[in-house]
Amino acid sequence: AQKVTQAQTEISVVEKEDVTLDCVYETRDTTYYLFWYKQPPSGELVFLIRRNSFDEQNEISGRYSWNFQKSTSSFNFTITASQVVDSAVYFCALSDLMKTSYDKVIFGPGTSLSVIP
Amino acid sequence: NAGVTQTPKFQVLKTGQSMTLQCAQDMNHEYMSWYRQDPGMGLRLIHYSVGAGITDQGEVPNGYNVSRSTTEDFPLRLLSAAPSQTSVYFCASRRGLAGLKTQYFGPGTRLLVL
Repeated sequence: AQKVTQAQTEISVVEKEDVTLDCVYETRDTTYYLFWYKQPPSGELVFLIRRNSFDEQNEISGRYSWNFQKSTSSFNFTITASQVVDSAVYFCALSDLMKTSYDKVIFGPGTSLSVIP
Repeated sequence: NAGVTQTPKFQVLKTGQSMTLQCAQDMNHEYMSWYRQDPGMGLRLIHYSVGAGITDQGEVPNGYNVSRSTTEDFPLRLLSAAPSQTSVYFCASRRGLAGLKTQYFGPGTRLLVL
């Protein structure tokens, strides 16, 4: 069965610090996809990244970077030089190819990040 | 494009009342789904649809009904509201498999059941 664990419920950092949000997943499939979403205080869900199980290259986008390690079933998210605007709840999610026509996207419980000025 | 729209934004119900949460998208997406968000539990899938006339259950379907008569609309019905259904509800849509196509979310409906 699919499962996504985000062990860090809440994190507080001071502005300009680096912070890493952990995500551990479980799936029996060899083909699957991992995602990160951001939910700012305004409440909308913003897509950040999608990564497939065959691509273990780390990815960097500005101050954001993602580290995917199949050996430890982890897909961690690092924000470098954090800013107040990074304060949000961050969700890690997983989908695998089911034997039906629909691939469910399963979300972790989320990590609430507060960046203090 | 308006993207994914949801109405109402906020609703208060009494236990036993029924209501329909509306969801519409103008991107011609085949896949639509409903999630509920509760503190500490992330988003949980209620029902989903892979096209007009086709719906199926997600992780937490009890107490909810859906139908998909058009590609654009995917309403969620609460037949007899219970306090346990107090939550924030998100509708989402995408063109195809989540691994290939971005999933877009509506702004959410905050529901309070007294």
